[in-house]
Amino acid sequence: NAGVTQTPKFRILKIGQSMTLQCTQDMNHNYMYWYRQDPGMGLKLIYYSVGAGITDKGEVPNGYNVSRSTTEDFPLRLELAAPSQTSVYFCASSYSITVSAEAFFGQGTRLTVV
Amino acid sequence: KQEVTQIPAALSVPEGENLVLNCSFTDSAIYNLQWFRQDPGKGLTSLLLIQSSQREQTSGRLNASLDKSSGRSTLYIAASQPGDSATYLCAVSPPYNTDKLIFGTGTRLQVFP
Repeated sequence: NAGVTQTPKFRILKIGQSMTLQCTQDMNHNYMYWYRQDPGMGLKLIYYSVGAGITDKGEVPNGYNVSRSTTEDFPLRLELAAPSQTSVYFCASSYSITVSAEAFFGQGTRLTVV
Repeated sequence: KQEVTQIPAALSVPEGENLVLNCSFTDSAIYNLQWFRQDPGKGLTSLLLIQSSQREQTSGRLNASLDKSSGRSTLYIAASQPGDSATYLCAVSPPYNTDKLIFGTGTRLQVFP
């Protein structure tokens, strides 16, 4: 029962480098999300997806891209890393948007851009 | 714009105390509210979900209440234990876009023996 799995757990990038944060879930959830959490701040939504082939911007999408080719996977792409993207990134999934749906979160990826 | 605030930001108590963590939101029109627990370096675990039509939810030593009209929710932890030490986050789902969660900044709780 893996739930939501994120890789890597830690990463240091140089300014201008690119990378992909991986997220996969084995619960057959339709909805997946990417959040970032800055120190002392709440989580902010970057992108979300309501199903395979469908993605949409959240509050802070600039500098990121996503794709959803399968129900299970929702990778987050940073094309030109900037120090402002230093943060902890969380992927989450939920079954539906009904009132009974709970959100399940991955363990997080701590990214530092230097 | 919906804003979620949690008070206090940090709390340190001796084992055995009953605790109340507060969450307030500026727009009372919400779809649901969730309380999460976050351990250091770990992901979030959903503790309780309260539907907009409900007043409270209970799970073990945890009880969460919701007062939509006043824009408040409280998380009550009975007989606190050192294992309860973590950061507690509340999040609301707005009715106009129910597939999003808006998070508060969290309350960092430390329970010492």
